[in-house]
Amino acid sequence: DGGITQSPKYLFRKEGQNVTLSCEQNLNHDAMYWYRQDPGQGLRLIYYSQIVNDFQKGDIAEGYSVSREKKESFPLTVTSAQKNPTAFYLCASSTGTYSYNEQFFGPGTRLTVL
Amino acid sequence: QQPVQSPQAVILREGEDAVINCSSSKALYSVHWYRQKHGEAPVFLMILLKGGEQKGHEKISASFNEKKQQSSLYLTASQLSYSGTYFCGTESGTYKYIFGTGTRLKVLA
Repeated sequence: DGGITQSPKYLFRKEGQNVTLSCEQNLNHDAMYWYRQDPGQGLRLIYYSQIVNDFQKGDIAEGYSVSREKKESFPLTVTSAQKNPTAFYLCASSTGTYSYNEQFFGPGTRLTVL
Repeated sequence: QQPVQSPQAVILREGEDAVINCSSSKALYSVHWYRQKHGEAPVFLMILLKGGEQKGHEKISASFNEKKQQSSLYLTASQLSYSGTYFCGTESGTYKYIFGTGTRLKVLA
Protein backbone atom coordinates (compact mmCIF):
# COMPACT_ATOMS: atom_id res chain seq x y z
CA ASP A 1 0.00 0.00 0.00
CA GLY A 2 1.21 3.48 -0.82
CA GLY A 3 1.40 6.04 1.92
CA ILE A 4 3.42 8.17 4.26
CA THR A 5 5.13 6.88 7.35
CA GLN A 6 6.41 8.92 10.24
CA SER A 7 8.50 7.68 13.08
CA PRO A 8 8.53 7.59 15.95
CA LYS A 9 4.90 8.09 16.97
CA TYR A 10 5.91 9.53 20.34
CA LEU A 11 9.22 11.19 21.11
CA PHE A 12 10.59 12.61 24.31
CA ARG A 13 13.54 14.95 24.40
CA LYS A 14 15.49 16.74 27.04
CA GLU A 15 15.97 20.45 26.73
CA GLY A 16 19.04 21.37 24.73
CA GLN A 17 19.03 18.24 22.58
CA ASN A 18 18.52 18.07 18.85
CA VAL A 19 16.10 15.44 17.58
CA THR A 20 15.25 14.22 14.08
CA LEU A 21 11.77 13.19 12.96
CA SER A 22 11.52 10.77 10.09
CA CYS A 23 9.12 11.07 7.13
CA GLU A 24 9.06 8.59 4.26
CA GLN A 25 6.61 8.32 1.34
CA ASN A 26 6.21 5.73 -1.40
CA LEU A 27 3.63 7.66 -3.38
CA ASN A 28 6.20 8.98 -5.84
CA HIS A 29 5.21 12.51 -4.91
CA ASP A 30 7.49 15.40 -5.76
CA ALA A 31 6.38 17.79 -3.01
CA MET A 32 6.69 17.24 0.73
CA TYR A 33 5.78 19.38 3.72
CA TRP A 34 6.25 19.63 7.46
CA TYR A 35 3.60 21.14 9.71
CA ARG A 36 3.42 21.85 13.38
CA GLN A 37 0.14 21.62 15.30
CA ASP A 38 -0.30 22.87 18.84
CA PRO A 39 -3.26 21.73 21.00
CA GLY A 40 -6.53 23.12 19.70
CA GLN A 41 -4.73 24.99 16.96
CA GLY A 42 -4.43 24.77 13.21
CA LEU A 43 -1.52 23.56 11.12
CA ARG A 44 1.44 25.85 10.60
CA LEU A 45 3.93 25.28 7.80
CA ILE A 46 7.54 24.74 8.88
CA TYR A 47 9.31 23.76 5.65
CA TYR A 48 8.34 22.48 2.24
CA SER A 49 10.16 20.93 -0.67
CA GLN A 50 9.04 20.96 -4.28
CA ILE A 51 11.72 18.66 -5.54
CA VAL A 52 14.78 16.70 -4.45
CA ASN A 53 17.70 18.80 -3.17
CA ASP A 54 15.52 21.86 -2.82
CA PHE A 55 13.45 23.15 0.10
CA GLN A 56 11.94 26.42 1.27
CA LYS A 57 11.15 27.94 4.63
CA GLY A 58 7.54 28.08 5.70
CA ASP A 59 6.03 30.44 8.24
CA ILE A 60 7.75 29.09 11.37
CA ALA A 61 11.13 27.71 10.20
CA GLU A 62 13.25 29.15 13.03
CA GLY A 63 14.80 26.40 15.14
CA TYR A 64 14.15 23.70 12.53
CA SER A 65 16.17 22.24 9.68
CA VAL A 66 15.39 19.78 6.88
CA SER A 67 17.07 17.90 4.07
CA ARG A 68 15.74 16.36 0.85
CA GLU A 69 18.43 14.07 -0.49
CA LYS A 70 15.97 11.48 -1.76
CA LYS A 71 12.53 11.86 -3.27
CA GLU A 72 11.04 9.49 -0.69
CA SER A 73 12.48 11.10 2.42
CA PHE A 74 12.13 14.49 4.11
CA PRO A 75 13.49 14.37 7.68
CA LEU A 76 12.96 17.26 10.07
CA THR A 77 15.47 18.17 12.77
CA VAL A 78 14.22 20.09 15.76
CA THR A 79 17.24 21.91 17.12
CA SER A 80 17.93 23.26 20.58
CA ALA A 81 17.30 26.70 19.15
CA GLN A 82 13.57 25.95 18.92
CA LYS A 83 12.26 27.56 22.10
CA ASN A 84 9.01 25.67 22.46
CA PRO A 85 9.22 22.42 20.49
CA THR A 86 6.51 20.42 22.27
CA ALA A 87 3.85 19.84 19.61
CA PHE A 88 2.32 17.39 17.14
CA TYR A 89 4.33 17.25 13.91
CA LEU A 90 2.73 16.23 10.64
CA CYS A 91 4.46 15.39 7.39
CA ALA A 92 2.56 15.55 4.12
CA SER A 93 3.17 15.03 0.44
CA SER A 94 1.48 15.92 -2.81
CA THR A 95 2.05 15.32 -6.48
CA GLY A 96 2.99 18.98 -6.84
CA THR A 97 2.68 22.31 -5.14
CA TYR A 98 -0.09 23.66 -7.31
CA SER A 99 -3.46 24.73 -6.08
CA TYR A 100 -5.19 21.58 -7.36
CA ASN A 101 -2.91 19.11 -5.60
CA GLU A 102 -4.40 17.52 -2.49
CA GLN A 103 -2.13 16.73 0.42
CA PHE A 104 -1.66 13.27 1.91
CA PHE A 105 -0.65 13.19 5.56
CA GLY A 106 1.39 10.83 7.66
CA PRO A 107 0.16 9.70 11.10
CA GLY A 108 2.22 12.32 12.92
CA THR A 109 4.87 12.42 15.65
CA ARG A 110 4.06 13.82 19.06
CA LEU A 111 7.18 15.47 20.49
CA THR A 112 7.43 16.29 24.17
CA VAL A 113 10.32 18.20 25.68
CA LEU A 114 10.98 17.29 29.28
CA GLN B 1 -2.80 35.29 5.04
CA GLN B 2 -4.52 32.48 6.90
CA PRO B 3 -8.17 31.85 5.95
CA VAL B 4 -10.62 32.39 8.80
CA GLN B 5 -13.14 29.70 9.62
CA SER B 6 -16.44 30.06 11.39
CA PRO B 7 -17.80 28.90 13.68
CA GLN B 8 -14.81 27.95 15.82
CA ALA B 9 -16.77 25.10 17.36
CA VAL B 10 -20.19 23.51 16.99
CA ILE B 11 -22.09 20.78 18.82
CA LEU B 12 -24.81 18.84 17.06
CA ARG B 13 -27.18 16.00 17.72
CA GLU B 14 -27.16 13.09 15.29
CA GLY B 15 -29.27 13.92 12.28
CA GLU B 16 -28.79 17.69 12.51
CA ASP B 17 -27.14 19.79 9.81
CA ALA B 18 -24.12 22.08 10.01
CA VAL B 19 -22.40 24.65 7.85
CA ILE B 20 -18.73 25.57 8.20
CA ASN B 21 -17.41 28.67 6.48
CA CYS B 22 -13.93 29.53 5.26
CA SER B 23 -13.25 33.15 4.33
CA SER B 24 -10.33 35.01 2.87
CA SER B 25 -9.67 38.70 2.35
CA LYS B 26 -8.46 38.00 -1.16
CA ALA B 27 -9.37 35.55 -3.90
CA LEU B 28 -8.08 32.04 -3.41
CA TYR B 29 -6.59 29.85 -6.12
CA SER B 30 -8.49 26.92 -4.73
CA VAL B 31 -9.93 25.62 -1.51
CA HIS B 32 -9.41 22.19 -0.01
CA TRP B 33 -11.36 20.68 2.87
CA TYR B 34 -9.91 18.23 5.39
CA ARG B 35 -11.22 16.49 8.50
CA GLN B 36 -8.96 15.56 11.41
CA LYS B 37 -9.89 13.16 14.18
CA HIS B 38 -8.24 13.78 17.54
CA GLY B 39 -4.60 12.69 17.52
CA GLU B 40 -4.75 11.59 13.90
CA ALA B 41 -3.68 13.00 10.56
CA PRO B 42 -6.03 15.19 8.51
CA VAL B 43 -7.92 13.37 5.78
CA PHE B 44 -8.75 15.01 2.46
CA LEU B 45 -12.45 15.53 1.76
CA MET B 46 -12.65 17.55 -1.45
CA ILE B 47 -11.19 20.37 -3.49
CA LEU B 48 -12.89 23.23 -5.29
CA LEU B 49 -11.14 25.14 -8.02
CA LYS B 50 -13.66 27.36 -9.77
CA GLY B 51 -15.75 30.24 -8.61
CA GLY B 52 -19.37 29.17 -8.28
CA GLU B 53 -18.43 25.51 -8.02
CA GLN B 54 -20.37 23.09 -5.85
CA LYS B 55 -19.14 19.63 -5.10
CA GLY B 56 -19.72 16.59 -2.96
CA HIS B 57 -22.58 14.26 -2.33
CA GLU B 58 -25.82 14.25 -0.42
CA LYS B 59 -24.28 14.08 3.02
CA ILE B 60 -21.13 16.21 2.72
CA SER B 61 -20.81 18.91 0.10
CA ALA B 62 -19.09 22.24 -0.40
CA SER B 63 -19.40 25.41 -2.40
CA PHE B 64 -16.98 28.09 -3.57
CA ASN B 65 -18.43 31.54 -4.16
CA GLU B 66 -18.09 33.44 -7.41
CA LYS B 67 -15.41 35.77 -6.09
CA LYS B 68 -13.45 32.80 -4.73
CA GLN B 69 -13.15 34.44 -1.34
CA GLN B 70 -15.46 32.15 0.60
CA SER B 71 -16.16 28.46 0.73
CA SER B 72 -18.75 26.62 2.80
CA LEU B 73 -18.83 22.98 3.85
CA TYR B 74 -22.28 21.47 4.36
CA LEU B 75 -22.79 18.48 6.62
CA THR B 76 -26.28 17.03 6.28
CA ALA B 77 -27.96 14.61 8.68
CA SER B 78 -24.78 14.40 10.73
CA GLN B 79 -23.49 11.10 12.05
CA LEU B 80 -21.26 10.38 15.04
CA SER B 81 -18.40 9.71 12.63
CA TYR B 82 -18.50 13.33 11.47
CA SER B 83 -16.96 14.50 14.74
CA GLY B 84 -13.55 16.05 14.38
CA THR B 85 -11.86 19.27 13.39
CA TYR B 86 -12.46 20.58 9.90
CA PHE B 87 -9.85 22.63 8.09
CA CYS B 88 -9.94 24.49 4.85
CA GLY B 89 -6.64 24.84 3.03
CA THR B 90 -5.33 26.77 0.10
CA GLU B 91 -2.22 27.40 -1.93
CA SER B 92 -1.11 30.84 -0.93
CA GLY B 93 1.09 31.65 -3.87
CA THR B 94 4.79 30.83 -4.30
CA TYR B 95 3.76 27.20 -3.77
CA LYS B 96 3.15 27.61 -0.04
CA TYR B 97 0.17 25.77 1.33
CA ILE B 98 -1.73 27.21 4.31
CA PHE B 99 -4.63 26.00 6.40
CA GLY B 100 -7.55 27.81 7.96
CA THR B 101 -8.08 28.32 11.67
CA GLY B 102 -10.14 25.14 12.06
CA THR B 103 -13.67 24.30 13.23
CA ARG B 104 -14.24 21.70 15.95
CA LEU B 105 -17.39 19.67 15.36
CA LYS B 106 -18.87 17.34 17.94
CA VAL B 107 -21.85 15.13 17.13
CA LEU B 108 -23.77 13.73 20.09
CA ALA B 109 -25.97 10.65 20.08
